[in-house]
Amino acid sequence: KQEVTQIPAALSVPEGENLVLNCSFTDSAIYNLQWFRQDPGKGLTSLLLIQSSQREQTSGRLNASLDKSSGRSTLYIAASQPGDSATYLCAPAINKFYFGSGTKLNVKP
Amino acid sequence: EAEVAQSPRYKITEKSQAVAFWCDPISGHATLYWYRQILGQGPELLVQFQDESVVDDSQLPKDRFSAERLKGVDSTLKIQPAELGDSAMYLCASTSGLPGDNSPLHFGNGTRLTVT
Repeated sequence: KQEVTQIPAALSVPEGENLVLNCSFTDSAIYNLQWFRQDPGKGLTSLLLIQSSQREQTSGRLNASLDKSSGRSTLYIAASQPGDSATYLCAPAINKFYFGSGTKLNVKP
Repeated sequence: EAEVAQSPRYKITEKSQAVAFWCDPISGHATLYWYRQILGQGPELLVQFQDESVVDDSQLPKDRFSAERLKGVDSTLKIQPAELGDSAMYLCASTSGLPGDNSPLHFGNGTRLTVT
């Protein structure tokens, strides 16, 4: 069974900082990995999908990298803003999507 | 942008009662998932449909949970009887293909269930 770990579990930073969220997974035979954002009481919003053949994927201030062989992905957020405050989850996909518990991010004004 | 529709948004029910959730995936999405999310944890898969067929229901507590997608479009998840431990967010998601197709997973806003 795929085990997914996200570190740190929570993070509080001042506005404007660049930050890195980490995701590790135990089974490297993945098709892709998706990063999501979840606001309190809401569903998950897809941010980026990075295919197993890719090393990086970018969308605006977000950049996701994937090192499939070592079972790691990182989400880099540049110039963080209070509106980025949410929980961020990663989901590597094999036969199905496996989710970590997320990193709860608080960006202080 | 097309969305996954879920209803109701909130449901409060007493234990031993029956409860049902509805999901309408993005048009054309053949694959539909039901997840359960406990506060502070990631979503856990309950059931996966490919069109109207169940692909994976290995984590569905079949003594009390049932799911159907009769025409391969919208879907219903039912709990009977509800137990206190069923209190959670129930999320529906859909994709146009399977995980190996690299099609993104899209979620609805979920149904927050409270069992009293």
